[in-house]
Amino acid sequence: QVQLVESGGGLVKPGGSLRVSCTASGFIFSDYDMSWVRQAPGKGLEWVSSFSSSDSYTNYADSVKGRFTLSRDNAQKSLFLQMNSLRAEDTAVYYCARFIYSYATFDFWGQGTLVTVSS
Amino acid sequence: QSVVTQPPSASGTPGQRVTISCSGSNSNIGRNSVNWYQQLPGTAPKLLIYSNNQRLSGVPDRFSGSKSDTSASLAISGLQSEDEADYYCSTWDDSLNEVVFGGGTKLTVL
Repeated sequence: QVQLVESGGGLVKPGGSLRVSCTASGFIFSDYDMSWVRQAPGKGLEWVSSFSSSDSYTNYADSVKGRFTLSRDNAQKSLFLQMNSLRAEDTAVYYCARFIYSYATFDFWGQGTLVTVSS
Repeated sequence: QSVVTQPPSASGTPGQRVTISCSGSNSNIGRNSVNWYQQLPGTAPKLLIYSNNQRLSGVPDRFSGSKSDTSASLAISGLQSEDEADYYCSTWDDSLNEVVFGGGTKLTVL
């Protein structure tokens, strides 16, 4: 069955950097678009970034553009989010999700990894 | 402030039918399909409905989705205590060129 497992979350100071990872299993990873969606404590869902499988196109929410970089390693079936210049408002659970572009839907989600930005 | 609006809360008694609305505009719901997610307390979101009214495999037929113009709805019939969760709608926004989520609706089963 499809599984997505995130790792790498933790506590980081404002202005710092962190890389979170997502390891996939149960499907042909290279065939699918992948995304990160975040959820601040007690708040709703916010799309962060997506990586197209077909043309390697990546796009980002305005709130993270220029600070976050999305990458993937198909051989390792992994998705990465490099987060730089972190701010307190980036504090959230970061979910890795498989993205079906034609429906603009996230059909499978990982359990999430918590990133806390605080001094 | 999300470009797609949901009521913050909804409630119902066991066995009842409840609906949750999702209101947008011509740049999002008016042109694109709507998806619905369920987030049980302390867990990750789970896709329930995609493409306005298509249930993901394994989702009970008590859950149904619909869309009309710039609004969509999720209906839950035969409400059960385990349906108590947060529900989110999402769609693509052509102006923002990204997926947008509604603010979420907390469903309470009384």
